[in-house]
Amino acid sequence: QQQVKQSPQSLIVQKGGIPIINCAYENTAFDYFPWYQQFPGKGPALLIAIRPDVSEKKEGRFTISFNKSAKQFSLHIMDSQPGDSATYFCAASKVAGANNLFFGTGTRLTVIP
Amino acid sequence: DTGVSQNPRHKITKRGQNVTFRCDPISEHNRLYWYRQTLGQGPEFLTYFQNEAQLEKSRLLSDRFSAERPKGSFSTLEIQRTEQGDSAMYLCASSITEAFFGQGTRLTVV
Repeated sequence: QQQVKQSPQSLIVQKGGIPIINCAYENTAFDYFPWYQQFPGKGPALLIAIRPDVSEKKEGRFTISFNKSAKQFSLHIMDSQPGDSATYFCAASKVAGANNLFFGTGTRLTVIP
Repeated sequence: DTGVSQNPRHKITKRGQNVTFRCDPISEHNRLYWYRQTLGQGPEFLTYFQNEAQLEKSRLLSDRFSAERPKGSFSTLEIQRTEQGDSAMYLCASSITEAFFGQGTRLTVV
């Protein structure tokens, strides 16, 4: 059973657009929600993370929106660039860190110049 | 390079052989994790060490898999009697709080 559901599977945007990737979870014990960026042949790299006591967090061009009542969270990439083309994973765990992170299935983002 | 280091980067082995991967975490990170990632999927948790103690194991970690972290520094993941279904990217991560992943070891079982 997929603990974290992610959509869409793939996404194509023009440079400067704002791609939005959505995730949903069921387990209310989850307390930490990171997003990872992965390039082909590389390991996932932590982009930004949020705890459920805030509804939004921004770091540079990346913003997480969090809706605790709906058990949903999303990643927005402002002013997207071709270099942002990668696979993005949302994840969730009961504690901060990486022990027993449940990952979504990934969104392959392509930013067209 | 002060990141998480994994060796080898690629391994091709015949079915039935044993393989061992090594992970060197970021120094001073006391937590170390192993994950497995198959093509088109997100990473799946395998096991977790705090210092040298193995504190959690996923049900994905069958009896053919064993992980160690002697002296709380580097870690090894051994797979015995490999099967074609073991073909995947094996990722190591380390943390104090936020987790940092290595580049992974891609295993192909033929």
